[in-house]
Amino acid sequence: GAVVSQHPSRVICKSGTSVKIECRSLDFQATTMFWYRQFPKKSLMLMATSNEGSKATYEQGVEKDKFLINHASLTLSTLTVTSAHPEDSSFYICSALPRGRENTIYFGEGSWLTVV
Amino acid sequence: AQRVTQPEKLLSVFKGAPVELKCNYSYSGSPELFWYVQYSRQRLQLLLRHISRESIKGFTADLNKGETSFHLKKPFAQEEDSAMYYCALRGIGNEKLTFGTGTRLTIIP
Repeated sequence: GAVVSQHPSRVICKSGTSVKIECRSLDFQATTMFWYRQFPKKSLMLMATSNEGSKATYEQGVEKDKFLINHASLTLSTLTVTSAHPEDSSFYICSALPRGRENTIYFGEGSWLTVV
Repeated sequence: AQRVTQPEKLLSVFKGAPVELKCNYSYSGSPELFWYVQYSRQRLQLLLRHISRESIKGFTADLNKGETSFHLKKPFAQEEDSAMYYCALRGIGNEKLTFGTGTRLTIIP
């Protein structure tokens, strides 16, 4: 089946630094990828929709200058958390829509970010 | 606006007993409803969707437009059903998925 891989699965960074999380579709091309954030005991909150070759569409309340999303190819989207702050610590999950099979969404395994 | 409500954060059921995970939604148009499951230390995966009208791992869910519900049911719970379950909604023609807060199901041996 289709696989979406996220890297790193866990990362710890210092306050003020930037950290990049990658989301790759391993065996399919994804025209659209989504980035979610999950707070403890809360639901997945959609942060932004990323379309290959164009700017990401951010949900209301999500700072686009803080959470930089790049979808440079049909198999890779990246989320960069800039000037990280402890409150950015969270579980970030990406998902991808396969080109030609847009009714199916595949999720990555998620990335734990801890900002100290 | 689209919203999904899962009223139960935690649900414990004895093995062999029936299971029902509740999901209610709010959406002005015709939605697509899904149930996703996340087993311990695994990624989120699709369990079933209402348009398929299928039974997966013994689970079924019927979309009730009158009650705006999409409850997940299984007649006889198994230990391997212990997991986190998320109900999700997508509007027709909309790519975005809106998730409920999830219900952690624990099956008691």
